[in-house]
Amino acid sequence: EAQVTQNPRYLITVTGKKLTVTCSQNMNHEYMSWYRQDPGLGLRQIYYSMNVEVTDKGDVPEGYKVSRKEKRNFPLILESPSPNQTSLYFCASSNTGTVNTEAFFGQGTRLTVV
Amino acid sequence: GENVEQHPSTLSVQEGDSAVIKCTYSDSASNYFPWYKQELGKGPQLIIDIRSNVGEKKDQRIAVTLNKTAKHFSLHITETQPEDSAVYFCAVRVPFTRADSNYQLIWGAGTKLIIKP
Repeated sequence: EAQVTQNPRYLITVTGKKLTVTCSQNMNHEYMSWYRQDPGLGLRQIYYSMNVEVTDKGDVPEGYKVSRKEKRNFPLILESPSPNQTSLYFCASSNTGTVNTEAFFGQGTRLTVV
Repeated sequence: GENVEQHPSTLSVQEGDSAVIKCTYSDSASNYFPWYKQELGKGPQLIIDIRSNVGEKKDQRIAVTLNKTAKHFSLHITETQPEDSAVYFCAVRVPFTRADSNYQLIWGAGTKLIIKP
């Protein structure tokens, strides 16, 4: 089954404690991205990656890091989480350069930073 | 860059009535316009899309219309049912750069659709 898998689904952490949210896709997609979803603000892109070892900032990259060492994985790293990073996070993947650019989303990770 | 505006932010309709959500965009080169539905506790999922060479597309109770001249497209849901309650996102496909053959999706802010019994 084609899917994007995020872990964990829920996470409560304390300010300053480094954390990683994992994302994996099994569709051999080149393009992967991370979004955060906050009430009234829709989906805001944090980082994206066009291919292995190619990453770039989205609209709200401050406080986040990513890596793309393998095509299937795209972890999101919060080196020193702060309460304003409390949010619902989504990983997505898609093919680029195709007529149909359907994005496939993970189930989401609800992060609370206290 | 591309700017996508989506209205309304919340829409409440009586079960059985129709719902319409509208998005406007700014880049006339945009050529692919999908709609995603996000059910509670899940990630967004593609429900219908339209390309710029088509004015309307229907799939059972949902339809999308595109007005390229006015740069807006709309999602229409007829005979709404409780399972239509969700957040709906429009998106617009744009190239990463003018010379690029790779594309990204620019998202609207979302519409929370509430179906009243």
